Amino acid sequence: DQQVKQNSPSLSVQEGRISILNCDYTNSMFDYFLWYKKYPAEGPTFLISISSIKDKNEDGRFTVFLNKSAKHLSLHIVPSQPGDSAVYFCAARAYGGSQGNLIFGKGTKLSVKP
Amino acid sequence: SQTIHQWPATLVQPVGSPLSLECTVEGTSNPNLYWYRQAAGRGLQLLFYSVGIGQISSEVPQNLSASRPQDRQFILSSKKLLLSDSGFYLCAWGYGTSEKLFFGSGTQLSVL
Repeated sequence: DQQVKQNSPSLSVQEGRISILNCDYTNSMFDYFLWYKKYPAEGPTFLISISSIKDKNEDGRFTVFLNKSAKHLSLHIVPSQPGDSAVYFCAARAYGGSQGNLIFGKGTKLSVKP
Repeated sequence: SQTIHQWPATLVQPVGSPLSLECTVEGTSNPNLYWYRQAAGRGLQLLFYSVGIGQISSEVPQNLSASRPQDRQFILSSKKLLLSDSGFYLCAWGYGTSEKLFFGSGTQLSVL
């Protein structure tokens, strides 16, 4: 049973426009949600996180929104750049769980076209 | 600054052969260490984590094992590889109660 779901395997966006990546979860005990970016044959790179007690966190071009009632979070990238093309993973941590036991979605491949 | 080293980058091994992947972290002490695997078309799955020397917790039963002989060294091993062990293996480190994990560059393992 997937606790973290990224239902869109791919997304294509024009350079300069907004990219919106979505993630749904099922476990109400998650206390943190994270987004990672991954290039082929490389390890994931941490992008941004949000605590479950917040509904928005912003870092430069990246903003994460959390809707706890809908068990949904999204990552907004504005403006999108060709260098943003990568696979984006949504991850969640269960409160009180083993340290770092992040549960990952399957990822969404973002393509930003010039 | 902290860095994490993982090697080798790629590995092709026959079924039934042993495996040893090594990971080291620099610039921090007493990190939490993790092994994740990404199988084709799937998300990242936690295999093992360690909060200290000699302390290993397994999340998924399998024919793999992990060891932490030194504070900043984490090793993933197998005595006999299976075809299903193929995948992209990632070592990661974290600190304290922080939610963030920092990943190494990964090892692409192909078992043939």
